[in-house]
Amino acid sequence: DAGITQSPRYKITETGRQVTLMCHQTWSHSYMFWYRQDLGHGLRLIYYSAAADITDKGEVPDGYVVSRSKTENFPLTLESATRSQTSVYFCASRGTGMNTEAFFGQGTRLTVV
Amino acid sequence: QKEVEQDPGPLSVPEGAIVSLNCTYSNSAFQYFMWYRQYSRKGPELLMYTYSSGNKEDGRFTAQVDKSSKYISLFIRDSQPSDSATYLCAMSLPYGNNRLAFGKGNQVVVIP
Repeated sequence: DAGITQSPRYKITETGRQVTLMCHQTWSHSYMFWYRQDLGHGLRLIYYSAAADITDKGEVPDGYVVSRSKTENFPLTLESATRSQTSVYFCASRGTGMNTEAFFGQGTRLTVV
Repeated sequence: QKEVEQDPGPLSVPEGAIVSLNCTYSNSAFQYFMWYRQYSRKGPELLMYTYSSGNKEDGRFTAQVDKSSKYISLFIRDSQPSDSATYLCAMSLPYGNNRLAFGKGNQVVVIP
């Protein structure tokens, strides 16, 4: 099925553990993004990627690592999870045109205990 | 000052009322303006898209952009319970990394 999928949908982890959130899109969109959504803050950009092997920091990158070895995948890793990283994480993809729609995944609800 | 300001207060309206939402922004270079709708426990989905200044209408929804005031609006006429969702404004530049800058969102509840 065409689209953008995130996994897992829900995750509970302990402080200090490494966690990887997966994102896969089937459109071959060049741009991919990771956002976190928290009450009172809205959607905040963590990292983005313009193409395979090209990534850059967004607004709140500390504590996160990304990679993009293939166009369709953009995993987000929390190297040592902290309680402040409890959030809902959204992956999005967008084509190269500036007027193109950004498509979002269903989100991953991460709880760090 | 954040790039995009959207008063995140919730809004409850009776069915059939007009819902009015707005955002202001600071970067005059923004050219593409969007409204996303997000249902509970779902990802945001594009609702309306406008390029530069002007109005755009799609059924019960109207998006307005006033670039001189750096102000965008979304109006929902004859609101329905199915319109209950969070509405986020977003905007992007005509160049650069293709990222979207989002407002904080407004939770709208339409009461039957």
